Amino acid sequence: DGGITQSPKYLFRKEGQNVTLSCEQNLNHDAMYWYRQDPGQGLRLIYYSQIVNDFQKGDIAEGYSVSREKKESFPLTVTSAQKNPTAFYLCAISSGRQNTEAFFGQGTRLTVV
Amino acid sequence: AQSVTQLDSHVSVSEGTPVLLRCNYSSSYSPSLFWYVQHPNKGLQLLLKYTSAATLVKGINGFEAEFKKSETSFHLTKPSAHMSDAAEYFCVVSDGGWGKLQFGAGTQVVVTP
Repeated sequence: DGGITQSPKYLFRKEGQNVTLSCEQNLNHDAMYWYRQDPGQGLRLIYYSQIVNDFQKGDIAEGYSVSREKKESFPLTVTSAQKNPTAFYLCAISSGRQNTEAFFGQGTRLTVV
Repeated sequence: AQSVTQLDSHVSVSEGTPVLLRCNYSSSYSPSLFWYVQHPNKGLQLLLKYTSAATLVKGINGFEAEFKKSETSFHLTKPSAHMSDAAEYFCVVSDGGWGKLQFGAGTQVVVTP
């Protein structure tokens, strides 16, 4: 919200297919994050990026990949190696300065059919 | 290491009565603490944040939280609940590193007329 756009809002995927979720921002923030949300588990960090062409694994990176070719964009690919991909995915941004808050997009709900 | 425990998974209140959402944290450093709210199928919205200034923090929509270092707590309160407060609330701790936000499991708030 407020300059963060996630698309699509809903996504359906067949088992064995890769799918890419989009996250775009126009707030000129350095740091971007991908979180996965499952009921009763809060949010878990998948990947994050502090700067263009650099990113780090979070707590649950297996089965996911990202790129950061532009400051504005941080797409997440859910690969066929992700064993349980059905979830709500949230992109977030922050200035990256120490102890600053993150701002979230509206999320993408991915369902494997 | 940092962690967050939200002591109640569900809270039910009547409209017009006080709301209390409890959060305890552990952190190796002087933490920053945040409360976020999430309405169904939406992103997270920042309610308030504590970053080592005043221990009583006022946020949006009438919410406030008090940082108590001796109790390692950061409970969220509102004097009078409104129907629009029905949502899920997340307590979040950051100890300063990039992407190092740790989310609690969330508290679902139900407001009854």
